[in-house]
Amino acid sequence: NAGVTQTPKFQVLKTGQSMTLQCAQDMNHNSMYWYRQDPGMGLRLIYYSASEGTTDKGEVPNGYNVSRLNKREFSLRLESAAPSQTSVYFCASSQRGANEQFFGPGTRLTVL
Amino acid sequence: GEDVEQSLFLSVREGDSSVINCTYTDSSSTYLYWYKQEPGAGLQLLTYIFSNMDMKQDQRLTVLLNKKDKHLSLRIADTQTGDSAIYFCAEFSNSNSGYALNFGKGTSLLVTP
Repeated sequence: NAGVTQTPKFQVLKTGQSMTLQCAQDMNHNSMYWYRQDPGMGLRLIYYSASEGTTDKGEVPNGYNVSRLNKREFSLRLESAAPSQTSVYFCASSQRGANEQFFGPGTRLTVL
Repeated sequence: GEDVEQSLFLSVREGDSSVINCTYTDSSSTYLYWYKQEPGAGLQLLTYIFSNMDMKQDQRLTVLLNKKDKHLSLRIADTQTGDSAIYFCAEFSNSNSGYALNFGKGTSLLVTP
């Protein structure tokens, strides 16, 4: 089992460009999450999907959209990237909300 | 969510015990977690404690929970250089987003030989 995989590992964008971060899990988990990690800020929740077919905003959703494509995949889209979105993005999954969350290796995004 | 507080840095000598402290915010938190993040990697669950417990021990790790003070600690016995990492405290409660964890900013642990 690969666990939680994320692509790409690194990305550099120019301001205004768009991109989609991909996440997949092979653990048959119901819930999936997108976090961003910034120095001195810890992890902040962007969006989550409690189950297939549902998505909800987290703490910092502005500038992002998500798609729960199926039970395995949960993508994060930046429609018009801004330098403030320079961060490390982590995808996570869990069987249910209170259960252990398994994290992917992260995507390091720089917006110039 | 409201802040989960942790000290930012801790330095210990190899072989000593490390104690990382955390204060959380929600008295209705049901689960409290400790995650470890090594450089360039994602977060890995170390241990967790359910809110009706005071203590949990797992090999070199001891978690203490003081619900009255909303204080959580992680003790690592016989700390090794491989324990150098960032440690995150996180709480889960039904009053959060509903499903996500509320993380502290992380404590960087440096273990020196």
